Amino acid sequence: DAGVIQSPRHEVTEMGQEVTLRCKPISGHDYLFWYRQTMMRGLELLIYFNNNVPIDDSGMPEDRFSAKMPNASFSTLKIQPSEPRDSAVYFCASRYRQETQYFGPGTRLLVL
Amino acid sequence: KNEVEQSPQNLTAQEGEFITINCSYSVGISALHWLQQHPGGGIVSLFMLSSGKKKHGRLIATINIQEKHSSLHITASHPRDSAVYICALSSGTYKYIFGTGTRLKVLA
Repeated sequence: DAGVIQSPRHEVTEMGQEVTLRCKPISGHDYLFWYRQTMMRGLELLIYFNNNVPIDDSGMPEDRFSAKMPNASFSTLKIQPSEPRDSAVYFCASRYRQETQYFGPGTRLLVL
Repeated sequence: KNEVEQSPQNLTAQEGEFITINCSYSVGISALHWLQQHPGGGIVSLFMLSSGKKKHGRLIATINIQEKHSSLHITASHPRDSAVYICALSSGTYKYIFGTGTRLKVLA
């Protein structure tokens, strides 16, 4: 298996632009997680899905952030409009039931 | 008080040294995880523990449920072990609660 796949790996954009991050979980996994990592706050859970249904989005910073999972093999995290404080590394992870989570390589986002 | 605390925050060791990183927590858990993150790199799950001890190569992880404490040991440390090691808790909600990480540097 290729593991969790994220794209793009790096994104540089200007404040106010829309940013879309993509994730393909490991086939057969029924949970998908979106995390954000910054130097100041470490790893934070933004949202997670179970069987494509959002279960807990309490970590989503504000309405500028939205996440979807239209099918079992694809999820997006969208930021619109983006702000400099959104600059971070965004990780997607997937797992099967209560087993170990597998993390993607991350998307390094810089908002100028 | 944070639900999970790691110590030390930073650790520098000489190659070959035995290393211990500690994790203490204050909530009920279903499992405790040790994660490794190399500089600029992704996150790798090293261990998932609910009791006892696990070993993988030079890495050993232990957990004491009664004392709410876990340790990660690295034997015969090597510069390639230099990374951030993160303790994470999971409970029935399937969410992780992350520690702040221990930054390890192993000098040749």
